[in-house]
Amino acid sequence: EVQLLESGGGLLQPGGSLRLSCVASGFSFTRYAMTWVRQTPGKGLEWVSAITSGATTYYADSVTGRFTVARDNSKNTLFLQMNSLRVEDTAIYYCAKGSMAVGHYYMDVWGIGTTVTVSS
Amino acid sequence: DIEMTQSPSTLSASVGDRVTITCRASQSINNWLAWYQQKAGKAPKVLIYQTSILESGVPSRFSGSGSGTEFTLTISSLQPDDFATYYCQQYNSYSWTFGQGTKVEIK
Repeated sequence: EVQLLESGGGLLQPGGSLRLSCVASGFSFTRYAMTWVRQTPGKGLEWVSAITSGATTYYADSVTGRFTVARDNSKNTLFLQMNSLRVEDTAIYYCAKGSMAVGHYYMDVWGIGTTVTVSS
Repeated sequence: DIEMTQSPSTLSASVGDRVTITCRASQSINNWLAWYQQKAGKAPKVLIYQTSILESGVPSRFSGSGSGTEFTLTISSLQPDDFATYYCQQYNSYSWTFGQGTKVEIK
């Protein structure tokens, strides 16, 4: 069974840093792009970042320069390093598997999410 | 970025009704469109990709159509399990964007 399990969420103050992890199982991790999508309380979905199978990275304008996505293929793990956090970064962060390695891909499997709360 | 606009924002319907949700893109997305279903407290689940292809395991009462900038998700006969929020998403560019969602409520 394909599974994604996020961890690392928490409560922190503005300006702080946090690293999210997502452990993948049940599929060949190296063969697929991976993404991070967030959802603010009571609101919709916002794509945050993506990394192809070849480690090319992409970021939403709202997080460029503050967030860094990375993958450790030896551990089937996806990461999101979040720095200079703002109140508006408060959200549930989902890890999602891309449907392909590169190119036009949608999110075909999602984790259960991990909550990040930024508040003073 | 490509903006995705869904309508309506909320839809009240009864079991057995035919339901249609519309999604418009601010520019052509070459049919790179997916639909997701999200239930309260759960992660989204993909229903349809590339405008009209049903994801494995998704009931055939769900269908998608459209082209260019206008797309629809249709549920042919609404079932109790279908009351949820639905999102469209474009994946034409390396800046994925979602619609704001359509909540399907019990009438």
